Amino acid sequence: GEDVEQSLFLSVREGDSSVINCTYTDSSSTYLYWYKQEPGAGLQLLTYIFSNMDMKQDQRLTVLLNKKDKHLSLRIADTQTGDSAIYFCAETKGGGNKLTFGTGTQLKVEL
Amino acid sequence: NAGVTQTPKFRILKIGQSMTLQCTQDMNHNYMYWYRQDPGMGLKLIYYSVGAGITDKGEVPNGYNVSRSTTEDFPLRLELAAPSQTSVYFCASSYATDTQYFGPGTRLTVL
Repeated sequence: GEDVEQSLFLSVREGDSSVINCTYTDSSSTYLYWYKQEPGAGLQLLTYIFSNMDMKQDQRLTVLLNKKDKHLSLRIADTQTGDSAIYFCAETKGGGNKLTFGTGTQLKVEL
Repeated sequence: NAGVTQTPKFRILKIGQSMTLQCTQDMNHNYMYWYRQDPGMGLKLIYYSVGAGITDKGEVPNGYNVSRSTTEDFPLRLELAAPSQTSVYFCASSYATDTQYFGPGTRLTVL
C-alpha cells in the first residue's frame, strides 16, 4: 500500500501490556520511529530501530521489526495512565531524511 | 538549550489574510521541516530545508512559502489563508538524516 497504516484506537487496563502495530510501505527505509503525542503537545520521540535490527528494548518499550512483512510493533510493558496518548510510527521513505507518518493510534489506559 | 520553539501557539485568521509562523532551533541542526497535522491524521510534510539558503517542497506545499536565511530560523508563510489551511503546524529539526525533534506546534484556525 501507499500509506503507513495503524489501527486507530487501543484500550488497555493499567498494568497490562499494550501492543501498537504499524505496517509501513518502503522496504528501503533506513530507520523506523515511534513518536508519542500527548493532548495539545508536540511529538516526542520514544524510540527508533535501525532497519538491520529485529528487536530493540528500552526499559518498558520493546520494538519488533519484521522486514519481510514490513511490520513494526511497539510493546509497552506495565502500561500506566501516563502512557495514554497518540502513538505514531514513521518511516524514512527512500532512505532519506523525510519522514512519512502513520495516522496514529490513540492509546487509552483505564484503571 | 530550548530545542525547537514555535510562535505563536494559537492564531485565528480570516480568509485571505496572511501570516508567518516562526520556528527557531538552537541545536545547530542543518535540517529543518514544516509539517501540518489535520484532525485524526498523521503529519504531512509541507516544506523542508537541508541548510541555510536551501529549501524544497514536501508532500503538501501549495499555499505556503518558506525561507531559510540562517541555520536557526525557518519561517513558514501563508499568503492567502483558506479554511483548508486550518490545522496544527509543527516545525522539526535534525542534524542530518537523523532523528527529528519537534516543536510544540501552532494551532491555526482560518474562518
